[in-house]
Amino acid sequence: AQKVTQAQTEISVVEKEDVTLDCVYETRDTTYYLFWYKQPPSGELVFLIRRNSFDEQNEISGRYSWNFQKSTSSFNFTITASQVVDSAVYFCALSEARWNNAGNMLTFGGGTRLMVKP
Amino acid sequence: DAEITQSPRHKITETGRQVTLACHQTWNHNNMFWYRQDLGHGLRLIHYSYGVQDTNKGEVSDGYSVSRSNTEDLPLTLESAASSQTSVYFCASSPLRDSSYEQYFGPGTRLTVT
Repeated sequence: AQKVTQAQTEISVVEKEDVTLDCVYETRDTTYYLFWYKQPPSGELVFLIRRNSFDEQNEISGRYSWNFQKSTSSFNFTITASQVVDSAVYFCALSEARWNNAGNMLTFGGGTRLMVKP
Repeated sequence: DAEITQSPRHKITETGRQVTLACHQTWNHNNMFWYRQDLGHGLRLIHYSYGVQDTNKGEVSDGYSVSRSNTEDLPLTLESAASSQTSVYFCASSPLRDSSYEQYFGPGTRLTVT
């Protein structure tokens, strides 16, 4: 069975600090997909990134970057120069591929609440 | 613009009552999902559907049911509401069964069972 662990339940930083949110996953599949979602205080879930298991290249999008390491089963998320607007709950999720395409079900981690103080 | 909506956004009900939460999407997506969000558990899958007349149980399906009579709607029914079902419920959709597609989430329904 697949599992996603976000060991940091809550992180507090001061604006402009860099912060890394950890995500560790378990799966028996060789093909799978990893996602990060953001849930701001307003409550909606916002898709941030998708990564497939064959692509270990790190990705950068503005102040956001993601480090995918299959050797440690981790998909960590770093925010550089954090801002108050980054305050939110962040979820890491895993989706396993299925031979009959019956996949697309997400398993979520418990989430990390990030508080950025001015 | 295409979207996914949920109604009601907030609901208070009594133990034992039947409750139905609506989910409607206008993307014409085949896949639809229901999750519940509880502190410390993230989101957990309740039921999902890959198309009309198709429904499947997720991780926490006990006490819930769904039906899919058209592409746009997947209502979630709590047959006899229990206090343990107090939670925030999210509906989601995605275009294909391909696991590479992200899911698009509705705004959520906060349900309180007293």
